[in-house]
Amino acid sequence: EDQVTQSPEALRLQEGESSSLNCSYTVSGLRGLFWYRQDPGKGPEFLFTLYSAGEEKEKERLKATLTKKESFLHITAPKPEDSATYLCAVLKGFQKLVFGTGTRLLVSP
Amino acid sequence: DADVTQTPRNRITKTGKRIMLECSQTKGHDRMYWYRQDPGLGLRLIYYSFDVKDINKGEISDGYSVSRQAQAKFSLSLESAIPNQTALYFCATSDPGALQFFGPGTRLTVL
Repeated sequence: EDQVTQSPEALRLQEGESSSLNCSYTVSGLRGLFWYRQDPGKGPEFLFTLYSAGEEKEKERLKATLTKKESFLHITAPKPEDSATYLCAVLKGFQKLVFGTGTRLLVSP
Repeated sequence: DADVTQTPRNRITKTGKRIMLECSQTKGHDRMYWYRQDPGLGLRLIYYSFDVKDINKGEISDGYSVSRQAQAKFSLSLESAIPNQTALYFCATSDPGALQFFGPGTRLTVL
């Protein structure tokens, strides 16, 4: 069965305290992995797409990496505005995404 | 203006009522999707459409139906709403590279 598991479910950081979010998957026919950010009451917003093991993408304080079994979203020196739920999704077949349940991140000043 | 819009944004209804949620997009994409989001369960695919003549069931289509009126419009209907359909509903479109763009969501409460 296709599964995408994100950990931890929730993470509380102090401003400036770096950490990583994990997304592990067991999906046959993987064609890519997506990271989204979701703010309360809003739709997910695209952050990164990764297609092959070893690939890395960066945007401001965020860096996403991919291995054959999992992806990490590294957050360096986070700020309160980075507080959100981060969703991981795996692209299966033609245009279908399988989502994880997300990691709720809270960054305190 | 938003690329993907959903109406209504909030709806409270009663068990047994018929409800339609509407989605419009200005991105020119052929592919459109309906998801529901529940706490602890993440986003789950209800229906998807790869073009106006193509409609496919997702993992949780029971109790729902859809209509693709045009390339830009994709509606989700609950023929007879029940309380466990209370959730946040999202419409999305995708580009040829499978990147999905989401609407702002509709919060539906079934009493």
